[in-house]
Amino acid sequence: EAGVVQSPRYKIIEKKQPVAFWCNPISGHNTLYWYLQNLGQGPELLIRYENEEAVDDSQLPKDRFSAERLKGVDSTLKIQPAELGDSAVYLCASSRRQDFDEQFFGPGTRLTVL
Amino acid sequence: AQTVTQSQPEMSVQEAETVTLSCTYDTSESDYYLFWYKQPPSRQMILVIRQEAYKQQNATENRFSVNFQKAAKSFSLKISDSQLGDAAMYFCAYRRNTGNQFYFGTGTSLTVIP
Repeated sequence: EAGVVQSPRYKIIEKKQPVAFWCNPISGHNTLYWYLQNLGQGPELLIRYENEEAVDDSQLPKDRFSAERLKGVDSTLKIQPAELGDSAVYLCASSRRQDFDEQFFGPGTRLTVL
Repeated sequence: AQTVTQSQPEMSVQEAETVTLSCTYDTSESDYYLFWYKQPPSRQMILVIRQEAYKQQNATENRFSVNFQKAAKSFSLKISDSQLGDAAMYFCAYRRNTGNQFYFGTGTSLTVIP
């Protein structure tokens, strides 16, 4: 079974530039999560999708962040414009909508904003 | 709101010895799931062990076991016969019984000393 795929693995941009991250979850996983992970911290949820519906985006800074999950499979997270404080690792995870199921994580995208 | 607390930012253990990582959580729910995730320097989070709150028996996976104290809302991880490959960040996570929300602690960085 293929794992959660994310790209790119690393991204360096100038502040005020746009950036996008892509995630392909494990096949059959209805739930997809985007997390922000600062250095030395635990993942913090940005948005959670059930199929193509965003069911929890309360922590997503909507003035500059946006996300989509067309057709309930792949997802894209965008930041426009990026700020210095956005430098972090962006993790994607997926799970089945079943009791007691764990999340499977991708390798993450490390964003550096200069 | 659910919160997960890991009070030990860093821990170290001698190779082949045993170490216990602490985790406490706050919830008003009676049924939920608890997880320990490992995040090596390569960054990909992987599941170590999980526990169903309605089960009194502590979960065990090879060298990894938990001490689940429901009344105390405590969920510690014991690693026996520590190996160099156990060195990583360890995150405790809580998942509600209904819905797919996960809540993570801030992590414990484990160093294994040869």
